[in-house]
Amino acid sequence: DAKTTQPPSMDCAEGRAANLPCNHSTISGNEYVYWYRQIHSQGPQYIIHGLKNNETNEMASLIITEDRKSSTLILPHATLRDTAVYYCIVRVSPKTSYDKVIFGPGTSLSVIP
Amino acid sequence: NAGVMQNPRHLVRRRGQEARLRCSPVKGHSHVYWYRQLPEEGLKFMVYLQKENIIDESGMPKERFSAEFPKEGPSILRIQQVVRGDSAAYFCASSPPRGNINSGNTIYFGEGSWLTVV
Repeated sequence: DAKTTQPPSMDCAEGRAANLPCNHSTISGNEYVYWYRQIHSQGPQYIIHGLKNNETNEMASLIITEDRKSSTLILPHATLRDTAVYYCIVRVSPKTSYDKVIFGPGTSLSVIP
Repeated sequence: NAGVMQNPRHLVRRRGQEARLRCSPVKGHSHVYWYRQLPEEGLKFMVYLQKENIIDESGMPKERFSAEFPKEGPSILRIQQVVRGDSAAYFCASSPPRGNINSGNTIYFGEGSWLTVV
């Protein structure tokens, strides 16, 4: 089973920030938080990952709470092309034991004109 | 999607035929994963392979399905005697060798192979 819980769906107005929450209350100290998205009829696309510090790249920002039990993916200026299912995943450090990636149902984000 | 190549992108097979799906990982990646996505459903893990070894096949159906990742060439997901319930999108993903700190061990996905059984 997936180790994360996400709202099933969200709407966001075009041009506004999209804030996608994720709960991972049982996360272990050696587990990273990864975010992927899947646009309809395409393969999952890597967005960002982090361990405990906030992270930012050209696509998004990842805010992880101090207790690491939840995180938020932020798309700063959502566009129609950001409409997709967003998956929050936890998995172990690459330096430790193998852990297959389990996808939950994710959050279906609809960006509205 | 960082270079994971899957082919064919679309495949139509009659019931009882065999389907072979190929996956070429990102150059330098030695780990391959296969996932299946049934229509209107989520991604389900099938199998994880390293070169010449199956590491975890806990998501593979017990019959008719097999996977390999030979020393040379692409990874192959083989489905024998296909049935209509096998109609789905099959995604391959790859990641670098474990312990690659710079990569973060990120898994990259291909665009998928859509199998239709008629």
